[in-house]
Amino acid sequence: GAVVSQHPSRVICKSGTSVKIECRSLDFQATTMFWYRQFPKQSLMLMATSNEGSKATYEQGVEKDKFLINHASLTLSTLTVTSAHPEDSSFYICSATHRQDHSNQPQHFGDGTRLSIL
Amino acid sequence: DQQVKQNSPSLSVQEGRISILNCDYTNSMFDYFLWYKKYPAEGPTFLISISSIKDKNEDGRFTVFLNKSAKHLSLHIVPSQPGDSAVYFCAARISISSGSARQLTFGSGTQLTVLP
Repeated sequence: GAVVSQHPSRVICKSGTSVKIECRSLDFQATTMFWYRQFPKQSLMLMATSNEGSKATYEQGVEKDKFLINHASLTLSTLTVTSAHPEDSSFYICSATHRQDHSNQPQHFGDGTRLSIL
Repeated sequence: DQQVKQNSPSLSVQEGRISILNCDYTNSMFDYFLWYKKYPAEGPTFLISISSIKDKNEDGRFTVFLNKSAKHLSLHIVPSQPGDSAVYFCAARISISSGSARQLTFGSGTQLTVLP
């Protein structure tokens, strides 16, 4: 099945640090990747939709200057949390869909990144 | 406004019995529904899906039922196994051709515990 790799799996860093998270589709081309955030015992909240070669579309309330998304190729999207603060601590998950735009294709998820800001 | 709701945060069942996880939605434009399973510190894994043109889809021990008039879907797992213990998310999507419309709206999840 389709594999999405997310790296790193865990980050612990000081307040003010910028953190980059990578999301790769390993065995398929993903024109669209999605970035989610999950707080404990809550649902996955969509942050932004990343389309290869174009600017990401951010959901309401998500600061685009805070969460920089780059989708430079069909297999890689990155999320950079700039000047991270303790309130940015969360579980970040990416997902990807196949290049072929079949409406019944499920999204395939990475294993997530646990970000802890001290 | 939660468009996809899973009202039971947790469910415990005995091994071998049936697990029934429920999900309700409010947006009548949703026409494709998915169930994902998630273990701690891992991303969700796709389980099973159903299109709104069907009312049932079965895959091994997993069956999803869709009641469009009630805007309700359920996931049945039978027989339940201890390895099924995880958080189950239902998700919904509007299937039109633009990329942004493929985004999923998730419920808040139900923690299933299958007791040996």
